[in-house]
Amino acid sequence: DAGVTQSPTHLIKTRGQQVTLRCSPKSGHDTVSWYQQALGQGPQFIFQYYEEEERQRGNFPDRFSGHQFPNYSSELNVNALLLGDSALYLCASSLGGPLSGNTIYFGEGSWLTVV
Amino acid sequence: GENVEQHPSTLSVQEGDSAVIKCTYSDSASNYFPWYKQELGKGPQLIIDIRSNVGEKKDQRIAVTLNKTAKHFSLHITETQPEDSAVYFCAASQRGGGSNYKLTFGKGTLLTVNP
Repeated sequence: DAGVTQSPTHLIKTRGQQVTLRCSPKSGHDTVSWYQQALGQGPQFIFQYYEEEERQRGNFPDRFSGHQFPNYSSELNVNALLLGDSALYLCASSLGGPLSGNTIYFGEGSWLTVV
Repeated sequence: GENVEQHPSTLSVQEGDSAVIKCTYSDSASNYFPWYKQELGKGPQLIIDIRSNVGEKKDQRIAVTLNKTAKHFSLHITETQPEDSAVYFCAASQRGGGSNYKLTFGKGTLLTVNP
């Protein structure tokens, strides 16, 4: 049973550039959330996708955007990168949308370094 | 919004001893409280969770207790082993019919089990 998979695992970008991170949810899951984890901190909720729509959003600027595809996979896009965007970006998946109450599983994350 | 406080930030125990990590939350509407273990360079792994209709839950060496009146919950690890060494995060959310699906995390506890 494939878990949550993310790519790439590590990447380095320059200030001002744009980045796209990818996530495939756990087999059978249809809901994807993205979290940002700065060094030494707990993960912070960015947004959630269900039925190809953004359902909820945390306190992140519009530079952070996403997409969910018909196969439930998802992308996180960050524009105009800042040094402060350097973090581990985690994808989490579950089944049944924001009201389901089902367990959330995390991927291994994508380490983004902005220089 | 929800705020989760976690203590201690670091915890060092001898192999075989017990470890206790405590969290408090602010939103009385929160009804789901998972605990995640994060090893270096990896994503958070769910180790146990508890819902608000239960006061205690146990899974082998791991147990979680919840006091809804006081708005705090704790993770108990007995007979600790070196492989228990990791960062542990508590989290809180409204689940299963609530409008707020996101997990709000504490800042984490670095547990070190000394052989």
